[in-house]
Amino acid sequence: AQKITQTQPGMFVQEKEAVTLDCTYDTSDPSYGLFWYKQPSSGEMIFLIYQGSYDQQNATEGRYSLNFQKARKSANLVISASQLGDSAMYFCAMREEGTGNQFYFGTGTSLTVIP
Amino acid sequence: SAVISQKPSRDICQRGTSLTIQCQVDSQVTMMFWYRQQPGQSLTLIATANQGSEATYESGFVIDKFPISRPNLTFSTLTVSNMSPEDSSIYLCSVASTGRDTQYFGPGTRLTVL
Repeated sequence: AQKITQTQPGMFVQEKEAVTLDCTYDTSDPSYGLFWYKQPSSGEMIFLIYQGSYDQQNATEGRYSLNFQKARKSANLVISASQLGDSAMYFCAMREEGTGNQFYFGTGTSLTVIP
Repeated sequence: SAVISQKPSRDICQRGTSLTIQCQVDSQVTMMFWYRQQPGQSLTLIATANQGSEATYESGFVIDKFPISRPNLTFSTLTVSNMSPEDSSIYLCSVASTGRDTQYFGPGTRLTVL
């Protein structure tokens, strides 16, 4: 089974609107971390936000927030007030405590912000 | 977060040759990793670079094809040996303070093999 599933290969959003990028995960480890990265066309991977499995509150970083629903095993990324520079690939990732260093990445979602 | 640089940023190589990619961090880090991202695909972990000892390779990756060195806590190299067009990918190094921390990525090396 896939550890990380991103079901939206491509998304479009109007500039200044909010957008939600979906991510579901599969683990039996009670301790894990969830991450979102942004990859512009230049190829670099930019860390956006982190959520720990024991965190009580949803993580937020500026215009990024993570909608963490533990029972549903989902960790959706919400980008508010979209900007043209937000156009990029977005990857969800998970690290399990039991497997140590291994990061599992989803297949990514391509976001295009329309002016 | 650490500042990570990679050299070269991109290269075009002939099949059968080898390319060594360098990863430099501006501070000492415990963990360094090498990933491959084939065109249109997600990231796949190649190996964990261990300081002063052999790298730990993931299933499907072998030392003869992807030799890795890590002479100290701020530097690592990945060599892609005997290249074929299937090796055309972005190769990224990442670092973390510990195995439990966020991984931060370098800018990547975009490799094209003809």
